[in-house]
Amino acid sequence: NAGVTQTPKFQVLKTGQSMTLQCAQDMNHNSMYWYRQDPGMGLRLIYYSASEGTTDKGEVPNGYNVSRLNKREFSLRLESAAPSQTSVYFCASSEAEEGWLAGGPRQFFGPGTRLTVL
Amino acid sequence: AQKITQTQPGMFVQEKEAVTLDCTYDTSDQSYGLFWYKQPSSGEMIFLIYQGSYDEQNATEGRYSLNFQKARKSTNLVISASQLGDSAMYFCAMREETVYQETSGSRLTFGEGTQLTVNP
Repeated sequence: NAGVTQTPKFQVLKTGQSMTLQCAQDMNHNSMYWYRQDPGMGLRLIYYSASEGTTDKGEVPNGYNVSRLNKREFSLRLESAAPSQTSVYFCASSEAEEGWLAGGPRQFFGPGTRLTVL
Repeated sequence: AQKITQTQPGMFVQEKEAVTLDCTYDTSDQSYGLFWYKQPSSGEMIFLIYQGSYDEQNATEGRYSLNFQKARKSTNLVISASQLGDSAMYFCAMREETVYQETSGSRLTFGEGTQLTVNP
């Protein structure tokens, strides 16, 4: 049981290049998320997918696109990378939304992808 | 206005002593959830503890406990008997019911974090 996995762990891009960050979870969770963490700051939500087949914008969606490929996989794409997108990117997943008032759901995080855009 | 405020950029504590990390939040919702995560230098985010707005008891998980003061909108994390391995960044986060209802999704708002250093 690997939890949430992300690839790659590190990436350096030049301005204008594109790339896709991959995320997969093996916990059969319905919801998945992409966050970015800038130095000295907390995480900010880029996009999320409440369930397979749906995606919604978070707090900072500009410059990104996402695809919920299936229940397990949620990818984040940078079409034309900019230096402002230099950050650490975290993928997370959580259980179904029902019952969250009772005690969750908590989000499980992947190890992160450290992206530098030159 | 900031939804989550962590006013202590850095905290120091002696090994084996207790430490309190502050977190205040801003919401008009009656239903919300509060989370604490630990981020060691290796970078992963580790869930520590959760408090629901309707929970009457303060949450406890091993050496972690919350001092939840709903009227003051604060949820301070208390780490008892600090260990060297507790040195990390600690994040407070909130999930609000209105956001959940509007978006049918679980969205967490994070604070900026507190860097805790445990000294031997």
